[in-house]
Amino acid sequence: DTGVSQDPRHKITKRGQNVTFRCDPISEHNRLYWYRQTLGQGPEFLTYFQNEAQLEKSRLLSDRFSAERPKGSFSTLEIQRTEQGDSAMYLCASSADLVEQFFGPGTRLTVL
Amino acid sequence: SQKIEQNSEALNIQEGKTATLTCNYTNYSPAYLQWYRQDPGRGPVFLLLIRENEKEKRKERLKVTFDTTLKQSLFHITASQPADSATYLCALVPGQAGTALIFGKGTTLSVSS
Repeated sequence: DTGVSQDPRHKITKRGQNVTFRCDPISEHNRLYWYRQTLGQGPEFLTYFQNEAQLEKSRLLSDRFSAERPKGSFSTLEIQRTEQGDSAMYLCASSADLVEQFFGPGTRLTVL
Repeated sequence: SQKIEQNSEALNIQEGKTATLTCNYTNYSPAYLQWYRQDPGRGPVFLLLIRENEKEKRKERLKVTFDTTLKQSLFHITASQPADSATYLCALVPGQAGTALIFGKGTTLSVSS
């Protein structure tokens, strides 16, 4: 296993379109996190899964955002009706415990 | 309000010197604090964790201190090298408030040769 992978690495879309990102965690990790990072800021928490259960959601996660982790393996993050303010780097992380998190390379979203 | 602050957006030092980065937090009582490194266009990479009952933790040229009275952590890189140039993020888990990491904005370190 080479680490956390994310697809796509870059996405350019027009305002109002829907986008979906995928994250493949390290295979033995049961915890999966999504974060959003804008320029000059640290990552901000969006949501957290333990196995297939979505246990935490940030208030940043408006009703246009939805995340799933079917079967407790890969996860998808969908943004509906994208807005220019959604432009950011979307990071996925996985962990086997409550300590160290392993981050993927991120998906950079640009909304025109 | 709850905050985690890294006091410098940028730090420039010469090769061979010690870089010291500061992380302060308010209104949290974390059980531990973590430091991550982030290179441009990449995700953060875990470096060190220090627990509330530990005063100091070392790993090779890295040293972290944690003062729960001052609510502050210091991150030191000794004998710095140009390859240490990156953004360094401190992060904590707010305990009962959840398990996700709360990050500071980061300090961008530039080491010149």
